[in-house]
Amino acid sequence: GAVVSQHPSRVICKSGTSVKIECRSLDFQATTMFWYRQFPKQSLMLMATSNEGSKATYEQGVEKDKFLINHASLTLSTLTVTSAHPEDSSFYICSAREPPDTQYFGPGTRLTVL
Amino acid sequence: RKEVEQDPGPFNVPEGATVAFNCTYSNSASQSFFWYRQDCRKEPKLLMSVYSSGNEDGRFTAQLNRASQYISLLIRDSKLSDSATYLCVVNKAAGNKLTFGGGTRVLVKP
Repeated sequence: GAVVSQHPSRVICKSGTSVKIECRSLDFQATTMFWYRQFPKQSLMLMATSNEGSKATYEQGVEKDKFLINHASLTLSTLTVTSAHPEDSSFYICSAREPPDTQYFGPGTRLTVL
Repeated sequence: RKEVEQDPGPFNVPEGATVAFNCTYSNSASQSFFWYRQDCRKEPKLLMSVYSSGNEDGRFTAQLNRASQYISLLIRDSKLSDSATYLCVVNKAAGNKLTFGGGTRVLVKP
């Protein structure tokens, strides 16, 4: 299957700092990428849809000013968690859509905010 | 009612046995269906797409019942390595966002 990378795999930061997570599709061009969040023992929750060259579409309840998404190229999308707080600690997973509609997931980033 | 519902399990399965479980979806306009597998603290990995006529991949068989709006996954000759959470995933339209079920946990024991 297609390969999607995510960096970093794990990050620990202090409350109030910003954290950037990168998602790359390594062997196909992805006009659409998705960002998910998963809390322990819960399912994946879609946060936003990232479209190359345009603004991201956020799900209801997700603050767009807190979770900044940039999809500057067909192989890279970034999620920046601004002014992170302990309640933002979670497993963040990106996926890239290989047409027509199969999604491949990155390995995830485990964020811990102290 | 959730858009995609699954029995959370766990299904405790003796090694070598067969296990099957379903997933129901509420949106009759759903077009694409998938089973993903997720190991503890890892990302989901595509196990198989589910086609209208049903499809098989090795020990795994997936079925789709549009009339009753459910899909199923059957695992034959279970291996210890099959222990994981199986996620039912539904896509309303091509290119649209995926909706995940809560997952069914399967534990294969010796």
